[in-house]
Amino acid sequence: KQEVTQIPAALSVPEGENLVLNCSFTDSAIYNLQWFRQDPGKGLTSLLLIQSSQREQTSGRLNASLDKSSGRSTLYIAASQPGDSATYLCAVAGNTDKLIFGTGTRLQVFP
Amino acid sequence: SQTIHQWPATLVQPVGSPLSLECTVEGTSNPNLYWYRQAAGRGLQLLFYSVGIGQISSEVPQNLSASRPQDRQFILSSKKLLLSDSGFYLCAWSGRGTYGYTFGSGTRLTVV
Repeated sequence: KQEVTQIPAALSVPEGENLVLNCSFTDSAIYNLQWFRQDPGKGLTSLLLIQSSQREQTSGRLNASLDKSSGRSTLYIAASQPGDSATYLCAVAGNTDKLIFGTGTRLQVFP
Repeated sequence: SQTIHQWPATLVQPVGSPLSLECTVEGTSNPNLYWYRQAAGRGLQLLFYSVGIGQISSEVPQNLSASRPQDRQFILSSKKLLLSDSGFYLCAWSGRGTYGYTFGSGTRLTVV
C-alpha cells in the first residue's frame, strides 16, 4: 500500500529565504507526482506535475524534482514571499490512477 | 479550457438529515472523477472514484454513497448524516492519459 510522507510538517521562515520541502513515498511504481498548494478553507491548486519519466519540473520560482528509485521528491521555493504562505501537498498516482496524498507541509513566510 | 464546479461552498446540516453534493466538469469528455474528504487536521482521503457513467468504486466503508448519472456529473450523497461526516469535501477530475488532477473549490460540511 502506497504511503506518502512529507517533512517538515510545518515551517516558518522570514521573507527572501530559499526553501526545500520534502516528500517521500514507499512504492516507487508511480505514474506521476503532483505538488499542490492549499490556502486555508480553499481547494487545491496544482503547482507542478512530474511524470515518472521526468526528473524535474519548473514554474517560476518553483522547482520540483523526482527521484523515483529512492522514492523522493523535493519542492524548491526560491526567494520566498509572504504570499507563498499556505499548505503544500505532495501526491502520487500509481497504475490505478488514484492520487495518494501526503499530510502536507504548512508554510508561513513572514515579512 | 476545462473547468470544474462544485457546490454548495458551505453547508450546515443536522444529524440524520440527507446530503447531496454535486460536482460537474466542463470542457472535457469521459473524465475520471473523484471525491475526497479532508477532516480537520488530517490529510486528504479518497472516498469514491469513477471511470465512467454508473461506474463507482468505493475506497472506504462509510455512511456515504456516490453516483455518476452523466458523463461529467458526480454526486456525493447520504441518507442520514452523522457527526463524523463533517469535513471538507473536494471533487476532482483527471483526463485519461494525462494523469494530472484538477480540484474543485470544495464544500465545507458541518453536521450539528
